[in-house]
Amino acid sequence: QQQVKQSPQSLIVQKGGISIINCAYENTAFDYFPWYQQFPGKGPALLIAIRPDVSEKKEGRFTISFNKSAKQFSLHIMDSQPGDSATYFCAASHDGATNKLIFGTGTLLAVQP
Amino acid sequence: DSGVTQTPKHLITATGQRVTLRCSPRSGDLSVYWYQQSLDQGLQFLIQYYNGEERAKGNILERFSAQQFPDLHSELNLSSLELGDSALYFCASSARHLAANTGELFFGEGSRLTVL
Repeated sequence: QQQVKQSPQSLIVQKGGISIINCAYENTAFDYFPWYQQFPGKGPALLIAIRPDVSEKKEGRFTISFNKSAKQFSLHIMDSQPGDSATYFCAASHDGATNKLIFGTGTLLAVQP
Repeated sequence: DSGVTQTPKHLITATGQRVTLRCSPRSGDLSVYWYQQSLDQGLQFLIQYYNGEERAKGNILERFSAQQFPDLHSELNLSSLELGDSALYFCASSARHLAANTGELFFGEGSRLTVL
């Protein structure tokens, strides 16, 4: 029940295309859903996050879509650029006192020029 | 730069040995988290400390232990090392004050452990 399932494992997109990464969770107590971006040799860094009181959040080219009834959320990267090539992790947490994040297994995104 | 500092960046050791990984959180952050990242299992939560006390525990092996010191830095101790312990170990920090916590974790650049 603590798992967050992420797909696909890897993704190749042409420059200018849309990258879509999906995650699903089971624990309905989760109330914070961030996406982290990780470049080689670096630690993960917060990209964008959403709470379940909204169905969509957009920051620049990055959008989270959230479907509470389906217990799914996704990251859309519009106009994908080679500089977006990285590993993306979805995550979830449910305890404001700890904020420990449960991460998905990651998606390696390659944007081809 | 996240403000979280981890040392050492790389560590090579032999099976059966013991190592200590160190983490300095962002200035003023009270929570420290340890995660293990391996190729096949992604980021696995190990343990969290808040202001010196253990707050949450994940899939941390009994051979592993951690602590947070009064100056808020943390150490992760890995003993009786096995080949399968080879991984990237990340430290993250958050929450200068719980009431102002946005939920964001700030990660260091990790310590890469290789067990031969």
